[in-house]
Amino acid sequence: QVHLQESGPGLVKPSETLSLTCTVSGGSISNYYWSWIRQPPGKGLEWIGFVYYSGTTNYNPSLRSRVTMSLDTSKNQFSLKLSSLTAADTAVYYCARHRSDQFEYWGQGTLVTVSS
Amino acid sequence: DIQMTQSPSSVSASVGDRVTITCRASQGIRSWLAWYQQKPGKAPKLLIYTASTLQSGVPSRFSGSGSGTDFTLTISSLQPEDFATYYCQQANTFPLTFGGGTKVEIK
Repeated sequence: QVHLQESGPGLVKPSETLSLTCTVSGGSISNYYWSWIRQPPGKGLEWIGFVYYSGTTNYNPSLRSRVTMSLDTSKNQFSLKLSSLTAADTAVYYCARHRSDQFEYWGQGTLVTVSS
Repeated sequence: DIQMTQSPSSVSASVGDRVTITCRASQGIRSWLAWYQQKPGKAPKLLIYTASTLQSGVPSRFSGSGSGTDFTLTISSLQPEDFATYYCQQANTFPLTFGGGTKVEIK
């Protein structure tokens, strides 16, 4: 069974850069798309973007200028960097395996709070 | 971006009831639609993809239909564990977008 686990800081200061890592176990990172999705407290879901195992990326235009995704096949991990943080970036951040039209496996999510 | 509009935003129902949730896309998305169930404090769980294909392990009381712009998720006989928030998601066009959610509450 594929398992995803997010890791990273729970508190980040405004204007700083958030760095999150998703570790994949129970399966290879190869041959799949890997996405980040976020959910502000009490609100809906927003797709941030994906990274393909080849390194190809596709970002949500609303965040494109601030987002960088990458992966490390040797560690079976992929990562998210989101820069110039504001309070509006406070959310639970999920990593997920993305296949054609659906997100089939999700991490448990990690709450990131942007506050000084 | 393709806007996904769910209705109702919330519904009160009893165990055993049939519940139907609708999702409308702002433009045609063929059958590129998925449904998710989310319980408080948990990640969303995939229920249905490609509009009507049941994900492995999901009970058969869940079903999906539709194509183009109008889609439905039906729970044929609501069970206690089904009280949750449900989201639709389109995958026809980037950026991928979700509906605003429908909360199914206990009557």
